[in-house]
Amino acid sequence: DTGVSQNPRHKITKRGQNVTFRCDPISEHNRLYWYRQTLGQGPEFLTYFQNEAQLEKSRLLSDRFSAERPKGSFSTLEIQRTEQGDSAMYLCASSLGTKGYTFGSGTRLTVV
Amino acid sequence: AQSVTQLGSHVSVSEGALVLLRCNYSSSVPPYLFWYVQYPNQGLQLLLKYTSAATLVKGINGFEAEFKKSETSFHLTKPSAHMSDAAEYFCAVSWDNNNDMRFGAGTRLTVKP
Repeated sequence: DTGVSQNPRHKITKRGQNVTFRCDPISEHNRLYWYRQTLGQGPEFLTYFQNEAQLEKSRLLSDRFSAERPKGSFSTLEIQRTEQGDSAMYLCASSLGTKGYTFGSGTRLTVV
Repeated sequence: AQSVTQLGSHVSVSEGALVLLRCNYSSSVPPYLFWYVQYPNQGLQLLLKYTSAATLVKGINGFEAEFKKSETSFHLTKPSAHMSDAAEYFCAVSWDNNNDMRFGAGTRLTVKP
């Protein structure tokens, strides 16, 4: 078990471009979460999946953001028409039942 | 709605001194409370969690936290700081042990030699 894996680790993109991040959770974990963390702040909840079903989305997740977990395993988070305010660390976590989250190392997005 | 407030964005202690990181929560239902640590350029690692069993919770790396309902607090302590404890610490609350965890803004701990 290699833990939660996120790719890429860093992404620099021009404003207006689309980006996609990938998260591979721990294989037996049924829940997967996306959080956004800006400098000097704690992680902010974006959305979560139980298996392949997206059960909750934060109001932070504007219509430019979309997340999928098509087979209940890995997940992708896509941001369309990126804006400078999207620059942040995007964290993925997974869990099984009532055990605590296991976080990935995150994808740092810089929009220039 | 659930939320947490971490008092003090920066805490500095000397090596060997007591570490005290403060967290107060607001929750309309009995909460689940967590402390996470984040080292530079890494994800968050669970230190400990409170799930309505014992009010004094022991975690990894010598940390512990005490749930005090009357004070709505869940402060994190360690008797003797090590240089390796320097990191960002986050308190978090959830109402069903996992979903939609809400994090505080974090406290950066610096340990002086």
